[in-house]
Amino acid sequence: ILNVEQSPQSLHVQEGDSTNFTCSFPSSNFYALHWYRWETAKSPEALFVMTLNGDEKKKGRISATLNTKEGYSYLYIKGSQPEDSATYLCAFNSGNTPLVFGKGTRLSVIA
Amino acid sequence: DAGITQSPRYKITETGRQVTLMCHQTWSHSYMFWYRQDLGHGLRLIYYSAAADITDKGEVPDGYVVSRSKTENFPLTLESATRSQTSVYFCASSVSGMVFNEQFFGPGTRLTVL
Repeated sequence: ILNVEQSPQSLHVQEGDSTNFTCSFPSSNFYALHWYRWETAKSPEALFVMTLNGDEKKKGRISATLNTKEGYSYLYIKGSQPEDSATYLCAFNSGNTPLVFGKGTRLSVIA
Repeated sequence: DAGITQSPRYKITETGRQVTLMCHQTWSHSYMFWYRQDLGHGLRLIYYSAAADITDKGEVPDGYVVSRSKTENFPLTLESATRSQTSVYFCASSVSGMVFNEQFFGPGTRLTVL
């Protein structure tokens, strides 16, 4: 079973703060890295699918970077808002096999 | 536009009973997936299907059976429910392939086995 680690497990930030968290994955046999946003009582929703080393993706105040050689991806949130409170999941793919999900980083933004 | 739906949304059953969770998608997506979500484990894949009549095991398949006779439906059956199968179950689908295509998740079914 491939290991996908996310850190921190949870964090609390003040409204307006910027924050970031990490997804670590095996650096060999990389195909794709997915990020999902999962609000409480809802379903996970895709944020980004990243495939190339050095990839940077952005959606509003949320952005992500990818380093496939060292096996990590960062998710950044600029100027956090209470509506950003959610669990952020990353998922790794090593070929035509199912995604392996990390356990997520639970973000709470305090107004 | 219904998207992907699951039924029931909540289910309470007893140990030893058979339970079927339904998943239906209206997009004609090729791939469908069943996950369970448990505290401390995140999302774990139970079974997946690449197309009608093609299914494969995921990380935690024991105690579960799936079928996919039609592209749009992917039911998950617990043949003899156990307390350890108390969980929230999510169905998901993707257009094609598992690598580059995002997955779309259903609303989840909360199952309690007494």
